[in-house]
Amino acid sequence: SQQGEEDPQALSIQEGENATMNCSYKTSINNLQWYRQNSGRGLVHLILIRSNEREKHSGRLRVTLDTSKKSSSLLITASRAADTASYFCAMDTGGFKTIFGAGTRLFVKA
Amino acid sequence: NAGVTQTPKFQVLKTGQSMTLQCAQDMNHEYMSWYRQDPGMGLRLIHYSVGAGITDQGEVPNGYNVSRSTTEDFPLRLLSAAPSQTSVYFCASSPRLAAPGDTQYFGPGTRLTVL
Repeated sequence: SQQGEEDPQALSIQEGENATMNCSYKTSINNLQWYRQNSGRGLVHLILIRSNEREKHSGRLRVTLDTSKKSSSLLITASRAADTASYFCAMDTGGFKTIFGAGTRLFVKA
Repeated sequence: NAGVTQTPKFQVLKTGQSMTLQCAQDMNHEYMSWYRQDPGMGLRLIHYSVGAGITDQGEVPNGYNVSRSTTEDFPLRLLSAAPSQTSVYFCASSPRLAAPGDTQYFGPGTRLTVL
């Protein structure tokens, strides 16, 4: 399968803690994006990191990319109950096709 | 500006029936795509289009047809529904996927059950 792999599959933390999820992929990429999906809804774009970037921040989100290891991580700092959702990495490999990981389900307990 | 809309939200079909899932966007995006999402899996690309009159296959195209007669609309047709097509279907659009930074905007999804 060309799908990216994410770990952990599920993560349960207390409000205020940090949440880290990881994504690994198999092919070369142009950029990598992270999406969020609330239960029963469509995906919403969070952040994009290009292949020549190593780290990017957006509010409480921090994304890193290591192209030599073909991996990325998403850190959500000071998690809130409203952050409860599934998070997906998505790899742009060129050729108009995006490959999605299987997702990490995050549950933040109030 | 409604973004990406999908109809219906829910649908139950019997094996062998055909139907069309509708998708429309009002953002004048060139790129549109259809994905299916199965439990415990990410999204898998079914078909995509880079502009009116241009479509191509994704990762799992078998059993599905698409057409793109206008920029706004990108319907997905199930020719003869099978239980394996039970899934949640998402439509997405993007200004131009080839340009770095062009994210995809997703519709709310259609939950399809094939009995």
